[in-house]
Amino acid sequence: ETGVTQSPTHLIKTRGQQVTLRCSSQSGHNTVSWYQQALGQGPQFIFQYYREEENGRGNFPPRFSGLQFPNYSSELNVNALELDDSALYLCASYGVDTGELFFGEGSRLTVL
Amino acid sequence: GENVEQHPSTLSVQEGDSAVIKCTYSDSASNYFPWYKQELGKGPQLIIDIRSNVGEKKDQRIAVTLNKTAKHFSLHITETQPEDSAVYFCAARLEGTASKLTFGTGTRLQVTL
Repeated sequence: ETGVTQSPTHLIKTRGQQVTLRCSSQSGHNTVSWYQQALGQGPQFIFQYYREEENGRGNFPPRFSGLQFPNYSSELNVNALELDDSALYLCASYGVDTGELFFGEGSRLTVL
Repeated sequence: GENVEQHPSTLSVQEGDSAVIKCTYSDSASNYFPWYKQELGKGPQLIIDIRSNVGEKKDQRIAVTLNKTAKHFSLHITETQPEDSAVYFCAARLEGTASKLTFGTGTRLQVTL
């Protein structure tokens, strides 16, 4: 049990649509990050948020955006969905005291 | 940026045997190396980690070793059990990048009876 919860667990969208995924971090963890995991691959870093500001981004286009709220919950938004966006999206909570990163169970997105 | 390679991609061992998974990283500025276990349909679970000021760390049947000079780190699982069957990922983090991990491509471990 990592204390990181994500919703929804599964969803199906069509190409061109927009999607919002949600995450609730561990209590006291003020840094949250999002990862994309394609089938059969390792997770890839999308971006991280600290104190409601994005402060690090991986190699993902601007149509991937996020928000972090004062209660440390966060959202990942993806616009203009493409077929290649089909993946497991993972939210991770960072404990600055330990340096450890804890993942939620993920939201599986299928784009048709 | 950092690049992490992981071998083997699949590993099959008999129950009770040992399993070893190896990773290499490219950036000498990386200073934190976690290992994650991912079961089918679940998120990655942190099982052990090591920092660059330590050469080896053990936790019951699991151990990790780090060779900074060669930029290698390895996961060792002894006395394997069927419940150890899963996909294992190594990762590396550059100093000062907080929650940004670079992952390897994963090793599917199967423990047979």
